Amino acid sequence: DVKVTQSSRYLVKRTGEKVFLECVQDMDHENMFWYRQDPGLGLRLIYFSYDVKMKEKGDIPEGYSVSREKKERFSLILESASTNQTSMYLCASSFRIGRSGNTIYFGEGSWLTVV
Amino acid sequence: SQQGEEDPQALSIQEGENATMNCSYKTSINNLQWYRQNSGRGLVHLILIRSNEREKHSGRLRVTLDTSKKSSSLLITASRAADTASYFCATVGYSTLTFGKGTMLLVSP
Repeated sequence: DVKVTQSSRYLVKRTGEKVFLECVQDMDHENMFWYRQDPGLGLRLIYFSYDVKMKEKGDIPEGYSVSREKKERFSLILESASTNQTSMYLCASSFRIGRSGNTIYFGEGSWLTVV
Repeated sequence: SQQGEEDPQALSIQEGENATMNCSYKTSINNLQWYRQNSGRGLVHLILIRSNEREKHSGRLRVTLDTSKKSSSLLITASRAADTASYFCATVGYSTLTFGKGTMLLVSP
């Protein structure tokens, strides 16, 4: 079974702290994604990566950065956490988009509260 | 944007009834996928339908796709309380994928 593992399920951080959210997948997927999910807004794409060291901005990249040094690991970084970044963060991975039949696999989510 | 939009936003039914959710999108797609999310958890893939397919079944799930209308529907037959969840469609283009805001389904015993 494909597994996408997010390192932290629940985090509470203070405003201004640097926050790292880690994600690891075990399927040799080219693509990895970070979404945030807020009530009434659905899933919004923050960043995605289609290969090691490659990254593309999604719909809401402001206040976030990412790192993909190894194919299986994709990290989301909040350089200086703010209260409006309190949210559920979802990591996902897939084979290259456009390949017929590619499925997106999600982690269990990380609930981040910034106080 | 080719964002999928689910309809209705919320649906409340009794066990044993069928549940139908719809998804509309704006541009050409490679395939369309439906996902389920239990409260507070990650999304789980349910079913994928390719752009050249019109209907697909998986257990109690039936998905249709009408590319001329740019719409898809997900039917859950004989629903159970355990089907209570949010359901999302994801439209997959050549190099993009986009999720809708979801339909929240409540199945009462």
